[in-house]
Amino acid sequence: GQNIDQPTEMTATEGAIVQINCTYQTSGFNGLFWYQQHAGEAPTFLSYNVLDGLEEKGRFSSFLSRSKGYSYLLLKELQMKDSASYLCAVTDSNYQLIWGAGTKLIIKP
Amino acid sequence: GAVVSQHPSRVICKSGTSVKIECRSLDFQATTMFWYRQFPKKSLMLMATSNEGSKATYEQGVEKDKFLINHASLTLSTLTVTSAHPEDSSFYICSGAGSSDYEQYFGPGTRLTVT
Repeated sequence: GQNIDQPTEMTATEGAIVQINCTYQTSGFNGLFWYQQHAGEAPTFLSYNVLDGLEEKGRFSSFLSRSKGYSYLLLKELQMKDSASYLCAVTDSNYQLIWGAGTKLIIKP
Repeated sequence: GAVVSQHPSRVICKSGTSVKIECRSLDFQATTMFWYRQFPKKSLMLMATSNEGSKATYEQGVEKDKFLINHASLTLSTLTVTSAHPEDSSFYICSGAGSSDYEQYFGPGTRLTVT
């Protein structure tokens, strides 16, 4: 079956760096998304990776290795407002979205 | 984990016709269901929020008469795109949330193409 794994919860300190991993096993691959979702709000698009490598966008970077079925989201200079759930989603060969359960990131002062 | 399904996964319809998309929570009761539209490689736009047994709450700019949402049971919500036009072609995603938490569980999406 198709599966996406990401940690359920992570804790980090304000100003630090945190890496949220996502591993996937899907029938085909047509891209990987990272979304940020604050409680009670709609998800916000963070990144889209379809080729291997690192994509940097401000404090957030996303990495993809298709051969390993692996991605990570790197958040630098953490701020309290970064406390949220981070969702990993993969588009499979049928262009269906397979969602991870999300990683709840808790930022402490 | 909680599973949400959508049917159909993809649909092609002619301009002017209506199409219904179903969203089902398979192993939990979704007190609230959300409907999103995904733009190519970009954000999810929240269209509406529906609570079981009551009328949906639409986001600003979303026509409620065009995008009919029904949340008749705790496991089923439907989105009907009425009088579809080519600009309605998009990827529609639903999510469900149980009453005990605010965590949303997302469906795989439905690709609508209007010709």
